[in-house]
Formats: sequence, structure tokens, C-alpha cells
Amino acid sequence: AQSVSQHNHHVILSEAASLELGCNYSYGGTVNLFWYVQYPGQHLQLLLKYFSGDPLVKGIKGFEAEFIKSKFSFNLRKPSVQWSDTAEYFCAVNPRDYKLSFGAGTTVTVRA
Amino acid sequence: EAGVTQFPSHSVIEKGQTVTLRCDPISGHDNLYWYRRVMGKEIKFLLHFVKESKQDESGMPNNRFLAERTGGTYSTLKVQPAELEDSGVYFCASSQGFKQFFGPGTRLTVL
Repeated sequence: AQSVSQHNHHVILSEAASLELGCNYSYGGTVNLFWYVQYPGQHLQLLLKYFSGDPLVKGIKGFEAEFIKSKFSFNLRKPSVQWSDTAEYFCAVNPRDYKLSFGAGTTVTVRA
Repeated sequence: EAGVTQFPSHSVIEKGQTVTLRCDPISGHDNLYWYRRVMGKEIKFLLHFVKESKQDESGMPNNRFLAERTGGTYSTLKVQPAELEDSGVYFCASSQGFKQFFGPGTRLTVL
């Protein structure tokens, strides 16, 4: 069965610091990759996605992610975080059969 | 455009009772999904409807869970009888393609 592993459970950083959240998945075939974010009190929303093409994907709010096929990784990055980036971040994968497999989530706390 | 809506937002019931959760997808979305997050764990897939048909129900925990999607519009997820381990947040999502739009979730607490 496929699985998704997020490296950090909780990350705390200061405003303007850089953020990188690790995500690895185990699945041998072609997959779609996603990062979702849940801000406090809000819905899960899509940050960015990778289906094919350029492995460096840009999403909303200054986030980007890089797909490295050889490492089965899809790490999320943001060069300079803001207090408003405090949220829980989820990496998710689907092998093109629609259902999503999620990682356990990483809570990011940005201190002003 | 209205997003995915779920009702109720919270439900507190006692073990052995029945609860029905409702999801209204985005209009025109054929695909509807249910997911569940038990506290501290990952969000797990429960099932997938395409219109009114169950496409994949491999994630349903057991036969106490029954999902329906009447006429291919809204969906209900009934838990009967509820057990303590059913507590968690139940998310609904809908899509036309691979991008899924999530509802706010229903937080179910079984006492």
C-alpha cells in the first residue's frame, strides 16, 4: 500500500525565516502530488500540485515545491514566512485513481 | 461559487447512538469523497462516489458505516451504532478532475 511520510510533526520559526517541509512517498508508479494547507478555523485548501512537466511547482502565497522522482520526494518551501503562514500543512499523493493518501501533517507556527 | 458544505459542524453523541453527516458538493462535481481524521493521525480516505455510484469504498472501516449519494447530488454518511473510536473529523471533498475541494469537516465526538 502506498504511504506518505512527512518529516516533521511541528515546526516553529520566526517571521522572515525560510521554511522547508519534507515529504516522501512510497509508490512505484506515476502519481499526482499535492500540498494542502489548513489555516486555523478554515477549510483544507490546495497550495500547489504536480501532475507532470517542470518538477519545480509554484503555488499560492509564495510557496513552491520540488518533485524529485529518484528520491520519491515532494518538499515544500517558502523563502520567507509570515505570521499568517501559521497553519497545518499536508502532503498528499494519488496514483491517478482519485483517492488521496495524506501524510500525518506538519503544524507550522510562525512567531512574530 | 459556493464551496463544499458539511452539516453539522460538530456532533456529540453517546456510544451506541446513530449519527448522520451530510455533505453538499460543489454543483456539477461528479466526484464526491469522504475522508476521516482521527486525532493526531493522518487524514484517511473512506470512499469515493462518481455521481450516485460508489466507485471505491475500500476505506470504510466496517459495516457500521453507510454512505449514500441520492441522485448524485448531496451525500450522507451514517454511523450506526457509533463507537468511541469513531470520534474524529469527517471531511467531504468534491472534484471534477484530480483537484479536490474540501469542506470544513464535521467534528464527531462519541462519548
